[in-house]
Amino acid sequence: GAGVSQSPSNKVTEKGKDVELRCDPISGHTALYWYRQRLGQGLEFLIYFQGNSAPDKSGLPSDRFSAERTGESVSTLTIQRTQQEDSAVYLCASSSPSGRAKETQYFGPGTRLLVL
Amino acid sequence: AQSVTQPDIHITVSEGASLELRCNYSYGATPYLFWYVQSPGQGLQLLLKYFSGDTLVQGIKGFEAEFKRSQSSFNLRKPSVHWSDAAEYFCAVAADKIIFGKGTRLHILP
Repeated sequence: GAGVSQSPSNKVTEKGKDVELRCDPISGHTALYWYRQRLGQGLEFLIYFQGNSAPDKSGLPSDRFSAERTGESVSTLTIQRTQQEDSAVYLCASSSPSGRAKETQYFGPGTRLLVL
Repeated sequence: AQSVTQPDIHITVSEGASLELRCNYSYGATPYLFWYVQSPGQGLQLLLKYFSGDTLVQGIKGFEAEFKRSQSSFNLRKPSVHWSDAAEYFCAVAADKIIFGKGTRLHILP
């Protein structure tokens, strides 16, 4: 079966522009995560969706960042007025619910964002 | 709050040699523990996880990890590495939410 897919795989944008990153989770996975991975750094949690529950947005670094999820399917991460420090790989992961801490996450290949 | 430390940023071993990647965590109780691997240009893939029970956990690709409560460690091991093991390895600890370490990049010498 298909894994987690993300698009675009690479995105180059100019400072100040808005970008949208897309994540298609594994079918049937109700939980979805977004992470940011800066060069040489670990994974920085951004946001967590679980079914119809209110998302955990505690990791979003500023109000320029937002994410939406349509039901239990596609999610979009939007970064407004991009800054150079937003340059990173943005990873999406999905999982089937077994308690948030226990969930095995299945990751997409990421979107590499470069802000010039 | 939980935290996780991977002391080694880079590790280089020769093909066929044994490997140990270190992971230390901080948490008041026993958290859930994971090792993930990230090959170049790929997302992360779960190698193994520990929730409870036997402290020696077997994973995919010939990896194993041992939970040592007294040392707050969950080190990853492999008896004989292959060139295809060159990747970045992330330890993660979870209590109410999962936190990833900064990763150890493994280089393999031919």
